Amino acid sequence: DGGITQSPKYLFRKEGQNVTLSCEQNLNHDAMYWYRQDPGQGLRLIYYSQIVNDFQKGDIAEGYSVSREKKESFPLTVTSAQKNPTAFYLCASSIDLKAQHFGDGTRLSIL
Amino acid sequence: GESVGLHLPTLSVQEGDNSIINCAYSNSASDYFIWYKQESGKGPQFIIDIRSNMDKRQGQRVTVLLNKTVKHLSLQIAATQPGDSAVYFCAEISNTNAGKSTFGDGTTLTVKP
Repeated sequence: DGGITQSPKYLFRKEGQNVTLSCEQNLNHDAMYWYRQDPGQGLRLIYYSQIVNDFQKGDIAEGYSVSREKKESFPLTVTSAQKNPTAFYLCASSIDLKAQHFGDGTRLSIL
Repeated sequence: GESVGLHLPTLSVQEGDNSIINCAYSNSASDYFIWYKQESGKGPQFIIDIRSNMDKRQGQRVTVLLNKTVKHLSLQIAATQPGDSAVYFCAEISNTNAGKSTFGDGTTLTVKP
């Protein structure tokens, strides 16, 4: 079945450590997105990519980095510069820049 | 800045009743709207969409209404079932915003048996 796979489901980060969240899709979608979701809140856009080898900052890009070397992959790195990284991270893809297909998220916590 | 907001953070209904979830938006340039459903511990799922040139669109047990005059969007769920319990988000998209979606804060729907 086609879809988006995020891994790991749970992730723990130590102080000063960078961690990378994986997002893979086999839907052949050009556009991919990363969102952060905090308890009781909506989704905030971190980064998005409309095509391979290109990406743009979203509303809360500070402390995060991404790459888009392959169409099916859009990994997100949470750097040590992100002082409040504890959140639920969601990856999505879209074929038409409208409806988005989401993965089941990675929950990141601080040790 | 522009934002999409929901009127109520929580809604509780009896099984079998109809549910209405509301959303107010402020960007008059938005030309596409989507409702998503998010179950606990999962990512949002597409429910139904509507373009700005439409007032109403129906799906299976769901109807979306768009009132551009007052910038209001609603999701109606008929004969609500326990499996409908989730958080519901509206999202707006504007062609002038590079295809980025703006999400509201969500309404948590609880269906009582």
